[in-house]
Amino acid sequence: GNSVTQMEGPVTLSEEAFLTINCTYTATGYPSLFWYVQYPGEGLQLLLKATKADDKGSNKGFEATYRKETTSFHLEKGSVQVSDSAVYFCALDSSGSARQLTFGSGTQLTVLP
Amino acid sequence: DTAVSQTPKYLVTQMGNDKSIKCEQNLGHDTMYWYKQDSKKFLKIMFSYNNKELIINETVPNRFSPKSPDKAHLNLHINSLELGDSAVYFCASSRAGTSTDTQYFGPGTRLTVL
Repeated sequence: GNSVTQMEGPVTLSEEAFLTINCTYTATGYPSLFWYVQYPGEGLQLLLKATKADDKGSNKGFEATYRKETTSFHLEKGSVQVSDSAVYFCALDSSGSARQLTFGSGTQLTVLP
Repeated sequence: DTAVSQTPKYLVTQMGNDKSIKCEQNLGHDTMYWYKQDSKKFLKIMFSYNNKELIINETVPNRFSPKSPDKAHLNLHINSLELGDSAVYFCASSRAGTSTDTQYFGPGTRLTVL
């Protein structure tokens, strides 16, 4: 079956530090890959996505590249801000008629001023 | 305009009660979902509906029954609530079609069973 393994948190960084959150996946076929972000007390929002190998998703300074050879979709940001503090979820969407998102366990990020 | 809305936002109830959570989307999407997020933030699909028909029904107790009166609504009814049902429940929607579609999530309903 499909699965997503995500770097365990919590992660605490100082403002302007470099961020990497690792994500690897197991899936049959050719899934799409997503990063969702959950700010405190809110629902999930799509941060970025990539739908095929070597695609790079980017948004708000965050980037992730779909690496089929390493089955990875690591999230990076060059300079984090306090407002980036949230829980980040890596997810994949299985192809086929029974679509569903399979999530990683989430990584809590806290950015200190 | 709220794309995916859920009511109520908070729900506190006693064990054994029956409760419902409502979800509505105004995006014109064909597919809607219910997810459960536990206390450790782990998210798991519960149900998926496409055009009012059940597509996915994961291993969920049959005390949970989704109902889709039309493709803009997917309500979740829970019978005989148990302590372990305490969680945050998220509704989501997407266009039907390929796996490239983005799912849009509601704000969540925090259910606490006492």
